[in-house]
Amino acid sequence: SQELEQSPQSLIVQEGKNLTINCTSSKTLYGLYWYKQKYGEGLIFLMMLQKGGEEKSHEKITAKLDEKKQQSSLHITASQPSHAGIYLCGAGFSGYALNFGKGTSLLVTP
Amino acid sequence: EAEVAQSPRYKITEKSQAVAFWCDPISGHATLYWYRQILGQGPELLVQFQDESVVDDSQLPKDRFSAERLKGVDSTLKIQPAELGDSAMYLCASSSLAGAAGELFFGEGSRLTVL
Repeated sequence: SQELEQSPQSLIVQEGKNLTINCTSSKTLYGLYWYKQKYGEGLIFLMMLQKGGEEKSHEKITAKLDEKKQQSSLHITASQPSHAGIYLCGAGFSGYALNFGKGTSLLVTP
Repeated sequence: EAEVAQSPRYKITEKSQAVAFWCDPISGHATLYWYRQILGQGPELLVQFQDESVVDDSQLPKDRFSAERLKGVDSTLKIQPAELGDSAMYLCASSSLAGAAGELFFGEGSRLTVL
């Protein structure tokens, strides 16, 4: 079973628009990681959230962690073509390697 | 900037053939991971090493897959014989936080196509 569910599976937005990607866990979260993957390449670390209510920003990307709801959201403001790719959330349930969601594919159109 | 090196980037092979992937983690990173990512899915852990020791290989299909990290530095993942269902991206990652989930640094991956 999938421990991390991401929604939506895919997203097409017009350049300049805002968007939100969600990640919901079926298990207690002790930390949540967001990665970005360009098509056909490796994963790039975006940010890590460890505390309930924590919010972090990197350029135009903001992520929040809601421990009570066992979910995290990633918000992109004023999307650009460079934001296109696959966004993956990950969590370390057993304290070892990260488990990942299936990813959200983002396409930004002119 | 230090990177995780993987080779080959692309590999096309016929089923029943043997294939091997190599990974060189960031210098000093004791923990090394091999993930498999099927198209349209998230990465799934195959094996985790702490130095030269296997920490978790519960999801590694041991009848055909093997992994080693003999000197606790670089690592090789082998598939023999390859099957059609093995077509995927094989990702190597390393981290410096032993025994705990931390920031993973990924290589560019090795894309395998089995014909």
